Amino acid sequence: QVQLVQSGAEVRKPGASVKVSCKASGYSFTNCAVHWVRQAPGQRLEWMGWINTGKGYTKYSQKFQGRVTITRDTAASTVYMEVSSLTSEDTATYYCARVKAVTGSLYFDYWGQGTLVTVSS
Amino acid sequence: DIVLTQSPDSMAVSLGERATINCKSSQSVLYGSNNKNYLAWYQQKPGQPPKLLIYWASTRESGVPDRFSGSGSGTDFTLTISSLQAEDVAVYYCQQYYSDPVFGPGTKVDIK
Repeated sequence: QVQLVQSGAEVRKPGASVKVSCKASGYSFTNCAVHWVRQAPGQRLEWMGWINTGKGYTKYSQKFQGRVTITRDTAASTVYMEVSSLTSEDTATYYCARVKAVTGSLYFDYWGQGTLVTVSS
Repeated sequence: DIVLTQSPDSMAVSLGERATINCKSSQSVLYGSNNKNYLAWYQQKPGQPPKLLIYWASTRESGVPDRFSGSGSGTDFTLTISSLQAEDVAVYYCQQYYSDPVFGPGTKVDIK
């Protein structure tokens, strides 16, 4: 069965960086793009960017361009998302989500369980 | 950028009654070349990731109970729960994928 398993909760100080992983299983990793979506407490879901897991190219929301980096390790079937220059406004649950397409925007049929990132001094 | 609004913000419905949630897009998400509406609906329960219910505006995801249905085209869409069950208490989000993904603000559904 398809699974996306994310790394555990993180606490960081303002100005630091955090890297979250998302390990995929149960399907052909390079056949499906992986997106990242975050949700601040009590807020709506916010799309951050995606990666073509086969070719490795990425696209980011303008809001996060330059501060978020998405990468992948095809041998490990894992996607990583790193956010730099953290502020308290980055406190949120971060989700990876799969689309059933190699590239681009589509609906998300499987989601990771979420990783809570807390930014606090 | 496409903006999605939802109404109402929250609602309380009696068990077995119908719940109707609306989603309005700032521009059409109907792609002319394939006549498909690039809109999905999700259910999110506390502490859980969103769960896909509906895609292409009206196609029910495998395993989703048939009391959930989606309708609409262009800029106006509706998610209907025909007979509310206790397990349907959740926040419901619409999402467009016509361009980079955007989600609506969510509608909270409770039991009256």
